[in-house]
Amino acid sequence: NAGVTQTPKFRILKIGQSMTLQCTQDMNHNYMYWYRQDPGMGLKLIYYSVGAGITDKGEVPNGYNVSRSTTEDFPLRLELAAPSQTSVYFCASSYEGKLPTEAFFGQGTRLTVV
Amino acid sequence: DAKTTQPTSMDCAEGRAANLPCNHSTISGNEYVYWYRQIHSQGPQYIIHGLKNNETNEMASLIITEDRKSSTLILPHATLRDTAVYYCIVRLRNDYKLSFGAGTTVTVRA
Repeated sequence: NAGVTQTPKFRILKIGQSMTLQCTQDMNHNYMYWYRQDPGMGLKLIYYSVGAGITDKGEVPNGYNVSRSTTEDFPLRLELAAPSQTSVYFCASSYEGKLPTEAFFGQGTRLTVV
Repeated sequence: DAKTTQPTSMDCAEGRAANLPCNHSTISGNEYVYWYRQIHSQGPQYIIHGLKNNETNEMASLIITEDRKSSTLILPHATLRDTAVYYCIVRLRNDYKLSFGAGTTVTVRA
């Protein structure tokens, strides 16, 4: 199992450009999440999904969009990049059933908007 | 959700046990205590979680007080590779979202 895989690892965007951060997991997890982490801070939830076709906003969703067409993939879209979106983005997944379990995180995408 | 309070930082000697405290005085009966760590800006890594009983796995032990208002994560034999930011998180059984605070920066010294 590769776990949670994020691409790209690094990216520099110009203000106003758009891009998609890719996330895929091979553990057949039903739940997937996108977090962002600003320097020296904890992670903040952007969007999450409880299954294919179902997504919902987290704490900081403005400026982002997501989709979940398959169980494996959960891409994060930035439409009009702004300097405030400079951050490290982490994708995560978990299998949620009767009892709470652990979340697995990807290695992150480091995004700089200039 | 219940909030957690952790010390900002702590040092530990290599080979000794590291005891990381966490206060969650407003925790409710159906909230679990989770611990994750983040090594040098990598993705967070799950360590352990528990509801009210003490838990142990290959990485650590989790001690939860009887009133559940605080807990301690124990790394039995700290190594340099345990240097990381450790997050104590409280989550509801049916609320799968994790709320990360600032955590405790643990530095293991040789």
